[in-house]
Amino acid sequence: EIVLTQSPGTLSLSPGERATLSCRANQRISSVYFAWYQQKPGQAPRLLTYGESSRAAGIPDRFSAKGTGTEFTLTISRLEPEDFAVYYCQQYAGPPETFGQGTKVEI
Amino acid sequence: QVSLRESGPALVKPTQTLTLTCSFSGFSLTTSGMCVIWIRQPPGKALEWLARIDWDDNKYYSTSLQTRLTISKDTSKNQVVLTLTNTDPVDTGTYYCARIYGRAPISWGQGTLVTVAS
Repeated sequence: EIVLTQSPGTLSLSPGERATLSCRANQRISSVYFAWYQQKPGQAPRLLTYGESSRAAGIPDRFSAKGTGTEFTLTISRLEPEDFAVYYCQQYAGPPETFGQGTKVEI
Repeated sequence: QVSLRESGPALVKPTQTLTLTCSFSGFSLTTSGMCVIWIRQPPGKALEWLARIDWDDNKYYSTSLQTRLTISKDTSKNQVVLTLTNTDPVDTGTYYCARIYGRAPISWGQGTLVTVAS
């Protein structure tokens, strides 16, 4: 089973700052089958990016993803107030399609 | 347009069997490469993958829950059903279904909250 470890657990930043979230896999996976989600309280996860670096529909370009092998990164170039949330990574290269434990981005 | 919607009981008593239905539109689970997965999230905790069913009826289960889970599909109704036997309060949470199809964006339902309590 592919285990995804996200860091840091919590990221304390201010609006306008840059956020860098990491996700490390315990074995190599294709970036084609990698996704990032944002989740706010009481809401379903919202797909941000998928594949090598594609943004989902309606996702602003301040969100960008990159990575290869075992190291993956989500960058939010300039935090907006609505970006403070929990972020999850997921690999869907094959079952089980595992998730990271989440990174909370807080003010 | 792809759409998924989860349904099932909001409250289940401990030891009962939980049956959840994922009703979908905008795609067919007979299409080669199509998959539907179930995920759950206990309150305040992370997402947990539960099971997957493929277009060719291959099925996969969480190692820790495989003895209690069953996933099935009804392609004529565009539904995927997940059953969880012998429920416990730790099974409380929001249950989601999602579609995975190759390199396409993953589509999720809005989730259904299930509480296991007596």
